[in-house]
Amino acid sequence: LAKTTQPISMDSYEGQEVNITCSHNNIATNDYITWYQQFPSQGPRFIIQGYKTKVTNEVASLFIPADRKSSTLSLPRVSLSDTAVYYCLVGRKLIFGQGTELSVKP
Amino acid sequence: GAVVSQHPSWVICKSGTSVKIECRSLDFQATTMFWYRQFPKQSLMLMATSNEGSKATYEQGVEKDKFLINHASLTLSTLTVTSAHPEDSSFYICRGVGAYEQYFGPGTRLTVT
Repeated sequence: LAKTTQPISMDSYEGQEVNITCSHNNIATNDYITWYQQFPSQGPRFIIQGYKTKVTNEVASLFIPADRKSSTLSLPRVSLSDTAVYYCLVGRKLIFGQGTELSVKP
Repeated sequence: GAVVSQHPSWVICKSGTSVKIECRSLDFQATTMFWYRQFPKQSLMLMATSNEGSKATYEQGVEKDKFLINHASLTLSTLTVTSAHPEDSSFYICRGVGAYEQYFGPGTRLTVT
């Protein structure tokens, strides 16, 4: 099973773009990359999923290089409500790593 | 849209008793259900995987006789914590996976006194 590594924490300010990079060196050929957001005492919430290159939706973009050994979640113009833990996961089984605790300050 | 619900959202039970947590998929058929446990300030830990109509597969270190998982239908899975102890107090989260969709439930907070 692919293991993921992310920064433990990140700080940002309102209105800034935040990029969180995740490494997954052992990703399998058929694995998709999925990012989730979690607030305290809530289940994880789906943000975005991709396989290669770039994916964009209404809340985020996901950049995946050709070797797929890493991925970057980009959150444009964050707000205070984006303060949460963000998880990068690969594959179907979804083994959670430690996640990145994002703190957005005014 | 399709979601996954859990019931109850929180429960308090006495040590030695059993408690059942329900996980339901709404508007989609969850062929696979995953159960996670999360302690405060920690990440989610996968406990077991269950496919509808089959016995659950437990992760290493998870006691299958203590955490009973049933997935008898495509819309319902249950997790029963038997003979609960205070160290079982945690946040339990299920995830339903269908043919084209996957959703996490909102979680169940279990407190064992």
